[in-house]
Amino acid sequence: NAGVTQTPKFQVLKTGQSMTLQCAQDMNHEYMSWYRQDPGMGLRLIHYSVGAGITDQGEVPNGYNVSRSTTEDFPLRLLSAAPSQTSVYFCASSSPWGGATEAFFGQGTRLTVV
Amino acid sequence: GNSVTQMEGPVTLSEEAFLTINCTYTATGYPSLFWYVQYPGEGLQLLLKATKADDKGSNKGFEATYRKETTSFHLEKGSVQVSDSAVYFCALSSWPSYGNNRLAFGKGNQVVVIP
Repeated sequence: NAGVTQTPKFQVLKTGQSMTLQCAQDMNHEYMSWYRQDPGMGLRLIHYSVGAGITDQGEVPNGYNVSRSTTEDFPLRLLSAAPSQTSVYFCASSSPWGGATEAFFGQGTRLTVV
Repeated sequence: GNSVTQMEGPVTLSEEAFLTINCTYTATGYPSLFWYVQYPGEGLQLLLKATKADDKGSNKGFEATYRKETTSFHLEKGSVQVSDSAVYFCALSSWPSYGNNRLAFGKGNQVVVIP
């Protein structure tokens, strides 16, 4: 079972560069989300999606874009990277109709912006 | 809105000691409660869950009871091992209606178990 797959695992960007963090899940979950994890801050929700074609902002959406063209994929785009976006990023998926709706997480992408 | 509060600071204890991590919550609707664990360099994994009041979730020797009267979901383990060293997150999911299925996380507690 692949579950939730994130790529890349590590990335270094220069300020102003753009990139896309990839996230794919094979569990047919409707709900997908992106979090960033920073020391002392816990997990903060960036964007989420409740299904293909539907996305919404979380707590810290500025500087990030998302789209959801398929159920399986939910990429996160940084249009112009800033040092404040240095963080570990996690993608998660869940199913609102699946009972306790626990989230399944990817292994994370460690991003450094210099 | 939904929120989760975990006790402040890391937890350091000796092997075979008793572990408690406090978690309290505020939620609308009918929340489900979770504990996630994050081992070094890895993503979060579900440790245990409870979906209604008075439910007890358990896994790998860890337990937590859903207490609606005190809005709490404290994590306990009777005898910790070095391999339990990790970061532990309390979380809740509450959706009175479709589209509001968002997990709210606490800030996490680093647990360090010393041999």
